[in-house]
Amino acid sequence: AQRVTQPEKLLSVFKGAPVELKCNYSYSGSPELFWYVQYSRQRLQLLLRHISRESIKGFTADLNKGETSFHLKKPFAQEEDSAMYYCALLYNTDKLIFGTGTRLQVFP
Amino acid sequence: EAQVTQNPRYLITVTGKKLTVTCSQNMNHEYMSWYRQDPGLGLRQIYYSMNVEVTDKGDVPEGYKVSRKEKRNFPLILESPSPNQTSLYFCASSPIQGFGTDTQYFGPGTRLTVL
Repeated sequence: AQRVTQPEKLLSVFKGAPVELKCNYSYSGSPELFWYVQYSRQRLQLLLRHISRESIKGFTADLNKGETSFHLKKPFAQEEDSAMYYCALLYNTDKLIFGTGTRLQVFP
Repeated sequence: EAQVTQNPRYLITVTGKKLTVTCSQNMNHEYMSWYRQDPGLGLRQIYYSMNVEVTDKGDVPEGYKVSRKEKRNFPLILESPSPNQTSLYFCASSPIQGFGTDTQYFGPGTRLTVL
């Protein structure tokens, strides 16, 4: 069955430290993966998609099919990065499932 | 079991025929929201509700209505559906005191096709 796993419910770091939010997926086909972010009292927003291979707000994520992972990384965390991050898997072209989310706290 | 349910899961309809997609949560959450997911556009918020009788527009509210008469239910109404509303719809809920920082629970999605 398709599944998205975000093993960390909470990740706390200090400003300037590297950040890695983990995401693992289970899907036998060709996955399309996303990271969404929700800042406090704001709507959920798309952060990045693996097929675009872009860097948004300093974040990158590489699809590793061998490890079935799509970890989100940033070399130097900022306080404004504090938010809830969701990994999501699109499969069968129209079915989207989300991980349970990881709350990132960046302390000054 | 804590969950958000949506009905129907799949719906094919014709232009102009009013429809309602129901959303219900059993977690006593104050906050509920509707999103649509379209290829290449990601997830976009349609409407949200902070509590009973309190609703606000999201990014793409045109063509949709919602109501929040009870805490557990947040139906999405399409008074006159059009083909550009063909999409995958998600309902979500979360507790208000953790809003934005707590886990948001999503429904399974409703696949709507408007012919």
